[in-house]
This record gives sequence, C-alpha cells and structure tokens, in this order.
Amino acid sequence: DSGVTQTPKHLITATGQRVTLRCSPRSGDLSVYWYQQSLDQGLQFLIQYYNGEERAKGNILERFSAQQFPDLHSELNLSSLELGDSALYFCASSVGSLGGGTDTQYFGPGTRLTVL
Amino acid sequence: LAKTTQPISMDSYEGQEVNITCSHNNIATNDYITWYQQFPSQGPRFIIQGYKTKVTNEVASLFIPADRKSSTLSLPRVSLSDTAVYYCRGRDDKIIFGKGTRLHILP
Repeated sequence: DSGVTQTPKHLITATGQRVTLRCSPRSGDLSVYWYQQSLDQGLQFLIQYYNGEERAKGNILERFSAQQFPDLHSELNLSSLELGDSALYFCASSVGSLGGGTDTQYFGPGTRLTVL
Repeated sequence: LAKTTQPISMDSYEGQEVNITCSHNNIATNDYITWYQQFPSQGPRFIIQGYKTKVTNEVASLFIPADRKSSTLSLPRVSLSDTAVYYCRGRDDKIIFGKGTRLHILP
C-alpha cells in the first residue's frame, strides 16, 4: 500500500459526459501528479500540482482540468468525454516539487474509466 | 525534447540475472533516472533511482554511464513474481516515462 488513495476505482460513463476523479496524497506529500495509461500504452504525464499550485503540464487535453485543494487532495475533471478517453488514470504524490530529481513518486491504485 | 526508449518485451528464466536498458536523450542535467515496476491493475511501484555510475539496493542495481544517455536496470536471480512491466523515467521540462518493458519470467 503506497498510502495514495484514489476514488472511484471504476467509472463507466457515456460519450459527452463529465466525470471527476479524486486523489488523496500520502501524508506529508505536497505534490500530486496525474497520469493517463491507455491499453498497451505507457504512462502519459498529464499535470502536476505542488501545494495547491500548478507546477508542470504534460500532455493534458483542454477538455481535462485539475486542481489541488488546501487539504492537498486533488481532483481531475474530464469533460466532453470521448471513447478514446477510456483508460487507467493514476495519481501519484511526492514530498517535493521537482517531479524528477530525487523526488520519488508514490502511485495510487488508479481509476479505470470506461467511456461507452 | 527528451525521449526514453526501452525494449517492448523480454523473457528470462527463474534464477537468471535480467538486464533491461533504457535510452534517454536530452534529459535534464539535474534529473535522476528512476525505474518503476508495475503489476496488472496496480499503480507503478518505485524500484531504484540514480544519477551516475552504479546504485544498488535490496531489489536491484542500476548502472548509468558517464554520458547519462542510457541506464540499465539489473535484477539478480529473478523469480516468477518478477513478471511485470518495468518503466524508466526521466525528465526534460516535463516527466517522461518510457513505454515499458514487459518482463516474462519462465519456470
């Protein structure tokens, strides 16, 4: 158990809909990262927040947005969903803000999103 | 733009040493190279991290040459439970994961 929690575990929805994925980081971690993993694809970095502020942006679509709240939990909002958005979405957390460096990321169990 | 490249899959036998190499060009000069292990339907799990030369922990060794354009994860005496996908991770201005190497350990 990494200490990172994600809800829900599974989500099934229809095209055009909007969903919210939630992540609670490990106690003491200030950074939260979101990743997308499609079938047979590697991990695609979406976005990082550090202590409530956006720190780095990856391949995140304009239909997607995220935020980190004062209690450090984070939400990833996916709107106007398309079939191709079906994937595993992982959240990770780390102590610092570097994202690389020596800052080890701890991953949650993921949310499996299915868009029908 | 940084990119990481690793073999798509590898097979090995129990008790053997397995080496997985990742090529990573244009990573940030201050970035550490990190390797993760992922089992089906689970999040990736940290294995080892290094900047240069060799790092060893209770699970694996990591070799990074002086030019830092590649790294090699070494798993000693693998077992069936080491069957998983292994990712290398680097960074330029954003975090870059390789597509992963599917390691299949045979009895």
